[in-house]
Amino acid sequence: QSALTQPASVSGSPGQSITISCTGTSSDVGSYNLVSWYQQHPGKAPKVMISEGTKRPSGVSNRFSASKSGNTASLTISGLQAEDEGDYYCCSYAGSSTWVFGGGTKLTVL
Amino acid sequence: QVQLVQSGAEVKKPGASVRVSCNASGYTFTGYYMHWVRQAPGQGLEWMGWINPNRGGTNYAQKFQGRVTMTRDTSISTVYMDLTRLRSDDTAVYYCAREGSGDFGYWGQGTLVTVSS
Repeated sequence: QSALTQPASVSGSPGQSITISCTGTSSDVGSYNLVSWYQQHPGKAPKVMISEGTKRPSGVSNRFSASKSGNTASLTISGLQAEDEGDYYCCSYAGSSTWVFGGGTKLTVL
Repeated sequence: QVQLVQSGAEVKKPGASVRVSCNASGYTFTGYYMHWVRQAPGQGLEWMGWINPNRGGTNYAQKFQGRVTMTRDTSISTVYMDLTRLRSDDTAVYYCAREGSGDFGYWGQGTLVTVSS
């Protein structure tokens, strides 16, 4: 199982929108609507921001949205805020009861 | 409220084994799979495997097969992750995470395992 591919870093100014991509294969991202996204702040456990491809868990801001096209999933954060700064990880079901994470993307709010 | 509380930090020598525990509360323990995810210093998240607390079934990432064992004790709502033949590159924070609707909705606080001679 190879890790899903994410950009190492993205940045944006407050109020702007950014998109983080997550590229897998036809064996994981492309085959299942089971991509989730996690936000992680330094020294903290990850927090789920998107589940089952596009669903926002209760309490997650509607500034977070996600989509998928083929083997690539994407997370969009609109109206960037300082508190959005952190690391973001995608995760996909990969068949045979296994899961795979992306390498992570560091978001900097300028 | 759902809580996952993990055991404390460990320091181990290469070749040794480590056991990390994860005590669950606030929900029906046997109703949700529990996963283990690790994160080496400055690195990304790595999925290790899961255990079904109901029947005890497990599935491990190929990378860890033969070295990892996940078990549970339903009487105390606790899952365990044992990792053997530790190497320096096993130094990481180990998390338990409860599976929900296709996601890991709840995480433990993490347990730092340091492997050093």
